[in-house]
Order: sequence, then C-alpha cells, then structure tokens
Amino acid sequence: EVQLVESGGGLVQPGGSLRLSCAASGFTVSSNYMSWVRQAPGKGLEWVSVIYSGGSTYYADSVKGRFTISRDNSKNTLYLQMNSLRAEDTAVYYCAKVAAADIHFDYWGQGTLVTVSS
Amino acid sequence: EIVMTQSPATLSVSPGERATLSCRASQSVSSNLAWYQQKPGQAPRLLIYGASTRATGIPARFSGSGSGTEFTLTISSLQSEDFAVYYCQQYNNWWTFGQGTKVEIK
Repeated sequence: EVQLVESGGGLVQPGGSLRLSCAASGFTVSSNYMSWVRQAPGKGLEWVSVIYSGGSTYYADSVKGRFTISRDNSKNTLYLQMNSLRAEDTAVYYCAKVAAADIHFDYWGQGTLVTVSS
Repeated sequence: EIVMTQSPATLSVSPGERATLSCRASQSVSSNLAWYQQKPGQAPRLLIYGASTRATGIPARFSGSGSGTEFTLTISSLQSEDFAVYYCQQYNNWWTFGQGTKVEIK
C-alpha cells in the first residue's frame, strides 16, 4: 500500500528556514517523479516543485531560488528545504507521487502546515 | 503558464441529482487533464486522469469528458459523501490547477 507521511511544518518567522520531510512506503521514491504542492488557507492548490527519477529538479517561479527539493534514497524520503520564507508561503504543504505513465498526481500525503508570521 | 478556469464556483445540488462541473484551459492541454476531490481537512484524492479514465476505486457515477480546452466532470447521482471541493489540473505543461468548484447540499 502506498503511503506518504509529511512532517516538519510549524511556525517560523519571516526570513527564516524550515525543512519538510515526506516519508514514503509501498514504492521507491527514487524510481518515481515526486512533487510538492501547497494550499494557502482557504485557497486552491499550487504546484511548488518536482524531482524527476533521474534527479533533475524544477520549481514554480514563486519559490525558485528559495526552495530546494531533494531525496534520500536510503531513507525513501523526499524533502523540501525552504529558505527566506515569506508570509505568502503560509500553507499546507503536500507531497505527492507522480504517476509513472501519465504524469498526474496519484497519491498524496496528509499535508503539513507551515505558518510564516512574526 | 496555462490557466485553468472552473465553473461554477459553487454548485448547489440535492442528493440523488446530477452535477456537472466545467473546466476550461487557456490553451490546449490535449487529454492531459485530471480531476481531484478534496474534503475539509483532507488531502486531495485523484478521481479522473487522462480526461476520462477513472482512478482505482472510484465509483462509476463519476465520469469525465472533453479534450483540448474544454472539460467536464459529471457526478450522475450525488451521494452524501460527494459534497466536497473539486479541482481540475492540467499536466500538459508542468502542472496547474483550477480554483475549484464547491459542491454543496441544496
């Protein structure tokens, strides 16, 4: 059974940093595309970042240069390092597995809340 | 960036009735279109991909249609558990989501 469990969210001051984790089970992270999606309170879904199975990484313009996606193959875990955080980064962050044959998001974690506030 | 526009923003439907949700893309996305359901406090759940293919375990009352720039999600007979927010997503050029349609009880 595929499971994704995020952790690492919390309250951080503007300009601060936070690292989110997404522990996966039931499949191999390194063999799949993996993504982060966020949802600001009461708002819709916004794609944030993706890491391809080959290791290439891509980001939404809103986070480029501030966020870094990575993975630890030995731990089967996905990460999102968030630096220079802003109030507008406040959101629930979801990790999602990208389907292999047709690149929609077939499995999602339960999300972790990041609040950027002084 | 491909902009996805969903309509209506809110749909009031009685249980047992049919619901039709629309999604329009600012440029063609072929059939690279998915639909997700989200209930309060929960993660999105995949319903439809490839514009019309139901995901594993999704009931047959959910159906998707369309291609290019115009797409529809139809729920043939609304059940109590179907009242939620529905998002379309294109994956033809990166990933973008519509703003959502809330299906509420009439």
